[in-house]
Amino acid sequence: GESVGLHLPTLSVQEGDNSIINCAYSNSASDYFIWYKQESGKGPQFIIDIRSNMDKRQGQRVTVLLNKTVKHLSLQIAATQPGDSAVYFCAEVPIIQGAQKLVFGQGTRLTINP
Amino acid sequence: EPEVTQTPSHQVTQMGQEVILRCVPISNHLYFYWYRQILGQKVEFLVSFYNNEISEKSEIFDDQFSVERPDGSNFTLKIRSTKLEDSAMYFCASARVEVQHFGDGTRLSIL
Repeated sequence: GESVGLHLPTLSVQEGDNSIINCAYSNSASDYFIWYKQESGKGPQFIIDIRSNMDKRQGQRVTVLLNKTVKHLSLQIAATQPGDSAVYFCAEVPIIQGAQKLVFGQGTRLTINP
Repeated sequence: EPEVTQTPSHQVTQMGQEVILRCVPISNHLYFYWYRQILGQKVEFLVSFYNNEISEKSEIFDDQFSVERPDGSNFTLKIRSTKLEDSAMYFCASARVEVQHFGDGTRLSIL
């Protein structure tokens, strides 16, 4: 069932270190996954996506890993910068056809320490 | 870079009043969405819209909600008689195919 998200999981890292943000998704039939970044007062911003037929995808400073066996998704951010401070959401797409809704996870707040 | 724009950024309304939230999606996009985010919680799907009709709606999207694309550029969400629990950030998103691009939202405060 739905949980009330009163407290976001928080990850604090030193500037320059690598960050790993984890996400468990719910639907084993989901075919497509996206990571979004949400800064304060802004809408979710697309970071990277991955299809279920892949287990890894790399972008600029970011890597997404998908483990379908345990329904787990992770986002790795290399050489974390102050501008990476935000809440990060994973989202799954239950079915890729037509207009597809995103099912968002709870989010993780990433804080960068100088 | 083209972006989704939403107006107003903040709307304060008395309970029971109608409210219309406006969105201008990215111009060549075909799929349109509304989501909401109650303070401190995750983003929740409300409705998707394609080819001038609703594709899917969530349980939240009851008879008090409606969407419209009146003129080929705007995409609106109307709440007919607002309730206190409608207070939230409302995000519009659009997609050409799969990747949904979000606006910065309208903060709706119901008094």
